[in-house]
Amino acid sequence: DIQMTQSPSSLSASVGDRVTITCRASRNIGSYLNWYQHRLGKAPRLLIYGASSLLSGVPSRFSGSGSGTDFTLTITSLQPEDFATYYCQQTYSPPRTFGPGTKLEIK
Amino acid sequence: EVQLVESGGGLVQPGGSLRLSCAASGFTFRSYWMSWVRQAPGKGLEWVANIKQDGSEKYYVESVKGRFTISRDNENSLYLQMNSLRAEDTAIYFCARDRKVLNYFHMDVWGQGTPVTVSS
Repeated sequence: DIQMTQSPSSLSASVGDRVTITCRASRNIGSYLNWYQHRLGKAPRLLIYGASSLLSGVPSRFSGSGSGTDFTLTITSLQPEDFATYYCQQTYSPPRTFGPGTKLEIK
Repeated sequence: EVQLVESGGGLVQPGGSLRLSCAASGFTFRSYWMSWVRQAPGKGLEWVANIKQDGSEKYYVESVKGRFTISRDNENSLYLQMNSLRAEDTAIYFCARDRKVLNYFHMDVWGQGTPVTVSS
């Protein structure tokens, strides 16, 4: 199975900050990488697919980059509703493993 | 409105069984792969299983192979039959629509989840 890691595991930031979350795959997954946002008690929300494609309706302050084994999610100008946990997920091969998550908290 | 609504969760004893359902509306259900994802208390998201549009392909995470079965009726319902349940299966179970753009699968519509508790 492909293992996914994320760093940092948690992050404190302020409204208006720019933050970057890193995801690494245990082997080359091309661009088969998605990013999700999950707030407690809510359904997870897809943000980015194919490593860098923004889902329609997702604010442009979210962006994704990378390919192969190393990927990043960047959020510019943090908004109050962005404080949540973020997960990467590979869809290169089953099982479609998620990373362990990065919890973004308000400083 | 595109919507997924899970049901069937509850409290079950270790070794017991439970069948989760997911009712889809607002889109052509038979055109999409579908997935189950879970989140155990205090843990992250874990992909559990998915199924092709016609049910001809199914994939599972190793920890549920031989115990869980994903199925669909191709009208508008997805199912997860869970047998030989263990305490570590305790989680909120989400169903999700698997959209494919070019070759990139992604879960773009999610239900609110149904809780499963395995305890004596």
